[in-house]
Amino acid sequence: DADVTQTPRNRITKTGKRIMLECSQTKGHDRMYWYRQDPGLGLRLIYYSFDVKDINKGEISDGYSVSRQAQAKFSLSLESAIPNQTALYFCATGVAGIYNEQFFGPGTRLTVL
Amino acid sequence: SQQGEEDPQALSIQEGENATMNCSYKTSINNLQWYRQNSGRGLVHLILIRSNEREKHSGRLRVTLDTSKKSSSLLITASRAADTASYFCAPVRANAGNMLTFGGGTRLMVKP
Repeated sequence: DADVTQTPRNRITKTGKRIMLECSQTKGHDRMYWYRQDPGLGLRLIYYSFDVKDINKGEISDGYSVSRQAQAKFSLSLESAIPNQTALYFCATGVAGIYNEQFFGPGTRLTVL
Repeated sequence: SQQGEEDPQALSIQEGENATMNCSYKTSINNLQWYRQNSGRGLVHLILIRSNEREKHSGRLRVTLDTSKKSSSLLITASRAADTASYFCAPVRANAGNMLTFGGGTRLMVKP
């Protein structure tokens, strides 16, 4: 979905490096999410934010941190990357309300050597 | 966690056939959503069914929900090669906002 963009799309890095993945959205949604997907598996929630001043840990937050710089921007950082963080990372957005869908970005493929 | 578990893990059919995928979950839900993922791409929302609904249609998609059995099914009729993708269900718990949790998905291959 072009309304949710992620940069970079692909990244190869080395163990111990700090990496930042960025997500921007033009949908005007308050809620933003970061997920990771491992091969052949579903998505697991890393962090989520319901508005600029709200940050919450998800299922697998260890080793990650986030920053919600503005309504439209939500960044995910790996402070010291390790090989088992090699995965596909997705950003998603949504609006408040339990009957609403989430809109996903195209993903960032991260490889940690 | 309240993730959905899809079955089968993989399904291969011929173009024109129907494809049925199933989802089971463990606790009470408010609604259940189905998403599609083309290889290596982001998920795309297909359809949402509320807990008080039993069946819902959208084009060639038919979703059923049986809350007594804690299960849902997604039927794609008259499948096309372009339907080849992974399909995920996401049960949404009551009082959990719109937090989604995903199982491993069903990988559907439609052969032309």
